[in-house]
Amino acid sequence: SQTIHQWPATLVQPVGSPLSLECTVEGTSNPNLYWYRQAAGRGLQLLFYSVGIGQISSEVPQNLSASRPQDRQFILSSKKLLLSDSGFYLCAWSGTGNTQYFGPGTRLTVL
Amino acid sequence: TQLLEQSPQFLSIQEGENLTVYCNSSSVFSSLQWYRQEPGEGPVLLVTVVTGGEVKKLKRLTFQFGDARKDSSLHITAAQPGDTGLYLCAGVFTSGTYKYIFGTGTRLKVLA
Repeated sequence: SQTIHQWPATLVQPVGSPLSLECTVEGTSNPNLYWYRQAAGRGLQLLFYSVGIGQISSEVPQNLSASRPQDRQFILSSKKLLLSDSGFYLCAWSGTGNTQYFGPGTRLTVL
Repeated sequence: TQLLEQSPQFLSIQEGENLTVYCNSSSVFSSLQWYRQEPGEGPVLLVTVVTGGEVKKLKRLTFQFGDARKDSSLHITAAQPGDTGLYLCAGVFTSGTYKYIFGTGTRLKVLA
């Protein structure tokens, strides 16, 4: 069966510090991968999606970037965090169908 | 910019009451999905509707896709405290891959 992992689960970082969030998927190959950000109690904002290794599409211009160094690994990064980067970050994958499966999320607080 | 508006944003009702959540857009979607999310967890898919006018039922939940595939509704009959959560609709675009646009969310609280 397929599983999706995210880490860390929670993170508190100072403004201006770098960021690296990791997402890995097990039990499937060549998944579509997505990064979302969610403000408290609100909908999800699509940040990046990837259809294959090294292929990244950005949906919202900002100080975040994404990379896919391996088929089942998706990384969200920033060189300098802003206060507005705080939120709940969710990774998801989908296969040949249109069902997305979400990871457990990372709660990021930028102080 | 595609936008999916959900209404109401917040809803607090008594156990046993009925409710309807709406999801509206000016964009036409290949399909539309409804998710429920618990605090601190990722959303979980409830249903996917594909055909304009389609109605799907999941126990006490009824989902309808608008004829023009731009809007959808979720109706809950005889709500229970276990229905409490954040309900999200997501419009799906299909062009090479699947792209999802999420709605603004409806936070439901059912009081016992």
